Amino acid sequence: DGGITQSPKYLFRKEGQNVTLSCEQNLNHDAMYWYRQDPGQGLRLIYYSQIVNDFQKGDIAEGYSVSREKKESFPLTVTSAQKNPTAFYLCASRRDGISGNTIYFGEGSWLTVV
Amino acid sequence: GQQLNQSPQSMFIQEGEDVSMNCTSSSIFNTWLWYKQDPGEGPVLLIALYKAGELTSNGRLTAQFGITRKDSFLNISASIPSDVGIYFCAGLVYNFNKFYFGSGTKLNVKP
Repeated sequence: DGGITQSPKYLFRKEGQNVTLSCEQNLNHDAMYWYRQDPGQGLRLIYYSQIVNDFQKGDIAEGYSVSREKKESFPLTVTSAQKNPTAFYLCASRRDGISGNTIYFGEGSWLTVV
Repeated sequence: GQQLNQSPQSMFIQEGEDVSMNCTSSSIFNTWLWYKQDPGEGPVLLIALYKAGELTSNGRLTAQFGITRKDSFLNISASIPSDVGIYFCAGLVYNFNKFYFGSGTKLNVKP
């Protein structure tokens, strides 16, 4: 079954700890994205990658890091430098079609600071 | 980053009623996308629009790409309880490969 798989669904982070959210897609899409969603707000772009071994900072990249070693995988690390990491995180990939481009999302991961 | 203006912010309607929501921007977009998001889940694509003036349906849902390319509308006809959720729009500017998102319309349907 094709799609975008995020794990874990729920993650708890202690103060000063780095945590990594996994994102895997089997859609053969080149571009992948990470967004943060806070209650009552629109999605905010953290990082995106157009192609393997390349990624760009989004609007709120501070305190986050990513890697893109494989086309299928785009993990996000939330570092201790991110002072307010509690949020819902969404991974996405982009399909480039003849008519136009479309973005598809994973099921999301909840991160809570304890 | 830029956000789209989406309205209304929330709606309370009776089952069977029609619903309309829209997104506007000061910028021109080449693509408009509409999603539905259930609590604690990822957004699911409902309709994709790629051409100005395009009108596309998906069951009881109909969306239009505005002629000015600065807005889009989503209509839901004959609403049912499972339509409850948050609907949001996304716009894409090709040159920048970045999507911009509305803040969502929360739909409540009373049986």
